[in-house]
Amino acid sequence: NAGVTQTPKFQVLKTGQSMTLQCAQDMNHNSMYWYRQDPGMGLRLIYYSASEGTTDKGEVPNGYNVSRLNKREFSLRLESAAPSQTSVYFCASTIGSGYTFGSGTRLTVV
Amino acid sequence: QQQVKQSPQSLIVQKGGISIINCAYENTAFDYFPWYQQFPGKGPALLIAIRPDVSEKKEGRFTISFNKSAKQFSLHIMDSQPGDSATYFCAASNTWGYQKVTFGTGTKLQVIP
Repeated sequence: NAGVTQTPKFQVLKTGQSMTLQCAQDMNHNSMYWYRQDPGMGLRLIYYSASEGTTDKGEVPNGYNVSRLNKREFSLRLESAAPSQTSVYFCASTIGSGYTFGSGTRLTVV
Repeated sequence: QQQVKQSPQSLIVQKGGISIINCAYENTAFDYFPWYQQFPGKGPALLIAIRPDVSEKKEGRFTISFNKSAKQFSLHIMDSQPGDSATYFCAASNTWGYQKVTFGTGTKLQVIP
């Protein structure tokens, strides 16, 4: 089915470890986004990519880096994980109006 | 900086009742107001959206009411069903250039039989 695919679905990291969250979309969307979702905080934008080859910071970019590998793929990297990065991470894409979200990655940092 | 304020945080409604969720925004440059529905363990999914040139949009049991002068919009779920139990997010964005959406904090709706 067409959509946004995120991997992995679950991950447990130790403080200081690094990891990359993968996201791919097959809808030929130009713009892609990474959000984190925390209880009572809604969805907060970490980074976004308006088009292939461009990336920009969102509301909460500290501790994260991103790569727009090509039009389909947009990855999020945690270089040195901290307990404050325990969250559910969502990737989304759009061609101009509503977003299509992936099913999320639930990350726990211990 | 909260640009979209959503209330209530949680809502319990009897089956068949009307669920109402309210949102207020600050940025008058916003020109697209979607609502997303999220079930546990899933990503949010676009439910219904409105642009500020209309005051109401209806899709089945779901209606958005929009008040441009008050900078407020609301989601009404008529004849609420247990299957509507989910978290609902309002959002706002501008669609010129590239889109960056600001979300409300979410409303957890529970519809009881």
